[in-house]
Order: sequence, then C-alpha cells, then structure tokens
Amino acid sequence: GIQVEQSPPDLILQEGANSTLRCNFSDSVNNLQWFHQNPWGQLINLFYIPSGTKQNGRLSATTVATERYSLLYISSSQTTDSGVYFCAVQNSGYALNFGKGTSLLVTP
Amino acid sequence: NAGVTQTPKFRILKIGQSMTLQCAQDMNHNYMYWYRQDPGMGLKLIYYSVGAGITDKGEVPNGYNVSRSTTEDFPLRLELAAPSQTSVYFCASRRGQGAGEQYFGPGTRLTVT
Repeated sequence: GIQVEQSPPDLILQEGANSTLRCNFSDSVNNLQWFHQNPWGQLINLFYIPSGTKQNGRLSATTVATERYSLLYISSSQTTDSGVYFCAVQNSGYALNFGKGTSLLVTP
Repeated sequence: NAGVTQTPKFRILKIGQSMTLQCAQDMNHNYMYWYRQDPGMGLKLIYYSVGAGITDKGEVPNGYNVSRSTTEDFPLRLELAAPSQTSVYFCASRRGQGAGEQYFGPGTRLTVT
C-alpha cells in the first residue's frame, strides 16, 4: 500500500516560534488530511488538502501532489499547539493511511 | 449534529473476555471505519464498511468482528480478548468515496490484563 513518511519525528519549540512539518507519500493521492491529536487523545481535523494551499488562522498547509509531499506550517506557536500531528492519505483504497506523526512540544 | 460518538470511553477486560465497542454517526455518512492506535504509533485500519450490510477487512482484522445493519451504527466486537489488543480504538466516518473529509470519534481506551 501507499507509504507515508513524516518529518521530523519530534520537535520542541519555544512559544512564538514558527515551524514546518513535512509529509512525503509514495503514490498519487485523491485524499490528504492533516490532523492534530491533542494531549487528551482527540483527533482534530486541521485540513483536507489533496492539492493546493489552505490557511486557517496561524496554520496553513500546502500539498504538491505532482511531487508527492505536503507541508504544514505553524506560525507564532502556542502551548496549546502541543501534541502529535498526523498526515493521512488515500489513493485507490477506501480508507486513510496514516504516517507515524510528528510530536510537537511548545514550551512557554 | 453530535458527529461520531463512541462508547465506552474506557474499559478494562480480562484475558478471554469479550466485548462490543459501540460507534454511531448522525451525518448520514455511507463509509465507516475502525482504527486502532498503539502507543507512539499512527492509526491502523481494522475494518471498514461502505454501506449497510457491507463490511471488509483492513490491515489488522484478526481478533475482531464487525457488522453494519444500519447506516448510523458500526459496532466492533472483540472475541477472546488478548493483551495484544490493548490499544486506543477510533471509529470514523466519511460521506462516500472521493467525498471529502473523514471524521473521527473521541476514541475508546481498552486495556486487556
């Protein structure tokens, strides 16, 4: 099946810093989503972005489908941004395939 | 809309016991899914359904069973629980193939001892 690789695996930031998370995938996709898993374990939908660029407040995402990667940008990070960020993709199957995530810790 | 709901939130089972994890959605979605998440890992697909009466295996189906008698409900059955089934279980739904976002429930944390 399709492979999903996320980098970096771990990231520590000071509050106010910016960061870029990367997701590489091994095949063409018709669905790509970014999720934030908060410290309580909830999975929160951030972006549905099989191609193009979207922004939502301090977060934005870009997917370059022809080059098989997506980027998630977090600007002016806050402690509430801490948690694990997952990229998940789908191509010919029926369900999303998840990467292993990037664990983010934002310190005061 | 409540979205995707799951019960229970937590459960402890003894080895060999059985239980059913409940999942319901009120968005009239055709597709529903069960995933498990082990510590420090991403989610792995257990079973999925593309409509009432239709189910199929995902990546890690052994030790589980599902049924889909209605559009709204998609229960996951664990028979003869084993310690390897200790995990967090997430249910999800989506309107249909090629149709937008997948939405997740809050999860059930299961421990088998």
